[in-house]
Amino acid sequence: EDQVTQSPEALRLQEGESSSLNCSYTVSGLRGLFWYRQDPGKGPEFLFTLYSAGEEKEKERLKATLTKKESFLHITAPKPEDSATYLCAASSNDYKLSFGAGTTVTVRA
Amino acid sequence: DGGITQSPKYLFRKEGQNVTLSCEQNLNHDAMYWYRQDPGQGLRLIYYSQIVNDFQKGDIAEGYSVSREKKESFPLTVTSAQKNPTAFYLCASRSGTGDPYEQYFGPGTRLTVT
Repeated sequence: EDQVTQSPEALRLQEGESSSLNCSYTVSGLRGLFWYRQDPGKGPEFLFTLYSAGEEKEKERLKATLTKKESFLHITAPKPEDSATYLCAASSNDYKLSFGAGTTVTVRA
Repeated sequence: DGGITQSPKYLFRKEGQNVTLSCEQNLNHDAMYWYRQDPGQGLRLIYYSQIVNDFQKGDIAEGYSVSREKKESFPLTVTSAQKNPTAFYLCASRSGTGDPYEQYFGPGTRLTVT
């Protein structure tokens, strides 16, 4: 059974204080590793897809990386508007996504 | 604008009543999905459909039913058999061919059953 575990559950940062979120996965035949951002009461917003170990993708202050067992979402010099829950999901061969519980990030001005 | 719409945003029902949640997409995507989100838990897959007139059970299908009569529509019925129906329900869609495999989500429906 595919499993995705995210840590920490919650992260409180000062504006400008860089940090990383972890996503550990156990899937048979990884097709893709996905990161989403979710604001309270809204649907998840797609951020990145990573397909193979060593791959990296960036968008503004966010950078996602992938190894054979983990993915990291690095937030560089965060701003209050980066406050959200970040979800990680892994896809195995049958195109279903297995989601982690998320990391809730709060950035204080 | 292309996207996924879910209605209503909030839904209140009494125990014992069936309720249907709407999901429509104009992205011309082949696959559609229903998830349930509870506090502190990851999204859990209820049902998915990769093509019109075909759908498969996800991990928590008991007490739910779906139909896929049109490519753009994938309604979810929460039946009275679902023991804990109060949750945030999310619909998603994905293009059925080639990379990428990411799913795009609607805004969600919050269902409260009392």
